[in-house]
Amino acid sequence: TQLLEQSPQFLSIQEGENLTVYCNSSSVFSSLQWYRQEPGEGPVLLVTVVTGGEVKKLKRLTFQFGDARKDSSLHITAAQPGDTGLYLCAGFTSGTYKYIFGTGTRLKVLA
Amino acid sequence: KAGVTQTPRYLIKTRGQQVTLSCSPISGHRSVSWYQQTPGQGLQFLFEYFSETQRNKGNFPGRFSGRQFSNSRSEMNVSTLELGDSALYLCASSSSTSLETQYFGPGTRLLVL
Repeated sequence: TQLLEQSPQFLSIQEGENLTVYCNSSSVFSSLQWYRQEPGEGPVLLVTVVTGGEVKKLKRLTFQFGDARKDSSLHITAAQPGDTGLYLCAGFTSGTYKYIFGTGTRLKVLA
Repeated sequence: KAGVTQTPRYLIKTRGQQVTLSCSPISGHRSVSWYQQTPGQGLQFLFEYFSETQRNKGNFPGRFSGRQFSNSRSEMNVSTLELGDSALYLCASSSSTSLETQYFGPGTRLLVL
């Protein structure tokens, strides 16, 4: 069974701090997505990474896909209260068209 | 383009009843997936449809079923509702040229009493 473990599960930080969220698996994925979800709403896609070692930047967010395409990280610089939410990673396997979602990281940024 | 829409947004049912949820994907998207999200279990995959065919299925009992129509709209049905079926049900669509990227709807919040 494919599993995607995220760490930490919960994170409460002050505005302006940096943080990193990790997404790890023993399985290889064709691509990996990161989503942010707010209460009562569906997840919103932040980024898709496809190539091993790939790094993508989205303003203050930096996403990295591991060389072996088994893990990924999300780094937020100078966190703001608007970054508060549930962050989910999801691995996609193109051969089976299957998505596996991570366990989630709940982030709270205090003003 | 309009995003993924789901109806209804909120639903209250009692045990033993059945429920049908609807999802309209982004125009042109032929793949529709359904997920159940609960605080304890996170996002759990229910099933995925592509061009009216169920292509993948998660580990849920037969009470959970779905279908997809020729216009790619999809419905999921839960029969004989149980208290544990209370959850946020999410629908996501993706295009056939970019299957790895899913776009989610706002979800249907189901409460079973």
